[in-house]
Amino acid sequence: SAVISQKPSRDICQRGTSLTIQCQVDSQVTMMFWYRQQPGQSLTLIATANQGSEATYESGFVIDKFPISRPNLTFSTLTVSNMSPEDSSIYLCSVEDPTGRAGNTIYFGEGSWLTVV
Amino acid sequence: LAKTTQPISMDSYEGQEVNITCSHNNIATNDYITWYQQFPSQGPRFIIQGYKTKVTNEVASLFIPADRKSSTLSLPRVSLSDTAVYYCLVGERQAGTALIFGKGTTLSVSS
Repeated sequence: SAVISQKPSRDICQRGTSLTIQCQVDSQVTMMFWYRQQPGQSLTLIATANQGSEATYESGFVIDKFPISRPNLTFSTLTVSNMSPEDSSIYLCSVEDPTGRAGNTIYFGEGSWLTVV
Repeated sequence: LAKTTQPISMDSYEGQEVNITCSHNNIATNDYITWYQQFPSQGPRFIIQGYKTKVTNEVASLFIPADRKSSTLSLPRVSLSDTAVYYCLVGERQAGTALIFGKGTTLSVSS
């Protein structure tokens, strides 16, 4: 498995501002995934981040709104830009099993709970 | 990716066995079935994964019939701490492939 640390765990943000969420993994991993979970809803994939290349975004998510960095194999950031109340969600970082033995078993961080006021 | 259908919610009492069934009629040959558990305000946690027949670990059992069009997650003797959302996912075990989550089943365990 992998130990994933996210910062901040929780924050209250003013509308119109931007916040960067950090994700640190205790092992080197090729792929990192960012999800959003709105209150009472399931998880929605935002983008897939591969080290050394631009993130691949899912339909409905754009780089200008959710820029992602992936500078090395253990770290990634997701920025939520120009926030509005609709961006109030839990943002989750996840990685594939670093050993590669468990197929595409994915492990999740504890999430970053953002409230936009 | 195969679409999954699970009950929205289930209720149980402590000590009972809980079986959550997931339908995935369009499962492909290379697809595996994976279950995740999510507690409030936490990220999902991997529970179990299987391809066919039965898989058991220290947490749960996964039963998959021969046609693989459904699967059943079995939680033995649930406790209050098993109250969570359970997600059934179907997809290839291919590196670089993200998991797509459905709505999940909210299990409520009472004393």
